[in-house]
Amino acid sequence: DQQVKQNSPSLSVQEGRISILNCDYTNSMFDYFLWYKKYPAEGPTFLISISSIKDKNEDGRFTVFLNKSAKHLSLHIVPSQPGDSAVYFCAASITGNQFYFGTGTSLTVIP
Amino acid sequence: DTAVSQTPKYLVTQMGNDKSIKCEQNLGHDTMYWYKQDSKKFLKIMFSYNNKELIINETVPNRFSPKSPDKAHLNLHINSLELGDSAVYFCASSQGVRLAGGGEQFFGPGTRLTVL
Repeated sequence: DQQVKQNSPSLSVQEGRISILNCDYTNSMFDYFLWYKKYPAEGPTFLISISSIKDKNEDGRFTVFLNKSAKHLSLHIVPSQPGDSAVYFCAASITGNQFYFGTGTSLTVIP
Repeated sequence: DTAVSQTPKYLVTQMGNDKSIKCEQNLGHDTMYWYKQDSKKFLKIMFSYNNKELIINETVPNRFSPKSPDKAHLNLHINSLELGDSAVYFCASSQGVRLAGGGEQFFGPGTRLTVL
């Protein structure tokens, strides 16, 4: 039973354009959401997070949007750079306890 | 300096063997985790330890036994390995597990286990 879903396994974007990665969840008790970035042969690294009391959090080129009514969050990267090419995982938790991960979206930024 | 390290990076072994994967973190975190990433890329938690105490134990066969000798180490021992155990295993750590809105995890590089 997968509580966090990333329905797009892959995404290709031109350098300089916006990348939008999507994530859906089913458990309305989730109150903390994170995005991780993963390069091949490395572990995931934390990118950005958002608490359920907010609907937007921004950090440089990365912005996460949360739509609680739709149980949907998205990660926007703008402008996209070739170094952003990686697999992006979203994760959700209840008060920072056990984290549930999506299956990841592989982003390719084309120079 | 590697924050979360795992050894070995690759492990190839025969079915039925017993093997261990070691994990160490030098971040001073009090919570450590083991995740399994299967062939479908699904990253699923297996265990979590907080201050050497087991706090999360998902539905994992009891052939898998975590051992935490101290806060900085969480090792994973697997008995009687099966073909289905082939996966990438990630260790992670975080500071605090019940902090509201906190607890982002730092991951190790992963151990690719192949059972033949």
